[in-house]
Amino acid sequence: KQEVTQIPAALSVPEGENLVLNCSFTDSAIYNLQWFRQDPGKGLTSLLLIQSSQREQTSGRLNASLDKSSGRSTLYIAASQPGDSATYLCAVTQGGSEKLVFGKGMKLTVNP
Amino acid sequence: DTGVSQDPRHKITKRGQNVTFRCDPISEHNRLYWYRQTLGQGPEFLTYFQNEAQLEKSRLLSDRFSAERPKGSFSTLEIQRTEQGDSAMYLCASSYGTSGRDEQFFGPGTRLTVL
Repeated sequence: KQEVTQIPAALSVPEGENLVLNCSFTDSAIYNLQWFRQDPGKGLTSLLLIQSSQREQTSGRLNASLDKSSGRSTLYIAASQPGDSATYLCAVTQGGSEKLVFGKGMKLTVNP
Repeated sequence: DTGVSQDPRHKITKRGQNVTFRCDPISEHNRLYWYRQTLGQGPEFLTYFQNEAQLEKSRLLSDRFSAERPKGSFSTLEIQRTEQGDSAMYLCASSYGTSGRDEQFFGPGTRLTVL
């Protein structure tokens, strides 16, 4: 059974710091990995999708990497801003299935 | 706005009542997914459709839950005889494609509170 872990569960940083968010998964037979952002009481906003054949994806100040063999992904946020405060979730699509398996998320607070 | 929409956004009901939620996917997206999220947890998969066909159901989807997508467009999720443990955010997502490699886009969710 695929398990996705995000550690730490919460992080509080001052504005301007460069951040690395970690995600690990137990079964490397995945189709892809997605990073999402969730604001309190809201739905999920897709940030980046990395296919299993890719090593990284970039969008603006965000960069996500994938090391499928070691079961790890990182989301790098450059020059963090208070507006980046949210819960960040990673999820994998297991090979042979169509569902996303999510981690519990990491709550990020960026202080002005 | 052409994103995924869900209705209602909030629902409060008494234990034992039936509730129905609606999801409208992004236009032309052939795949539609339902997830459930409880406080402090990541979303958990419930079921998904490709066009009208329901292709996968989670063990979480007890016989009190039923989902439909009759014309391959919008979908409904019904919960019969609600229990307090059904209180959660119900999220709908859609994608376009024929494999699990496609990006899923989520709606704003329906928050259910069972009293």
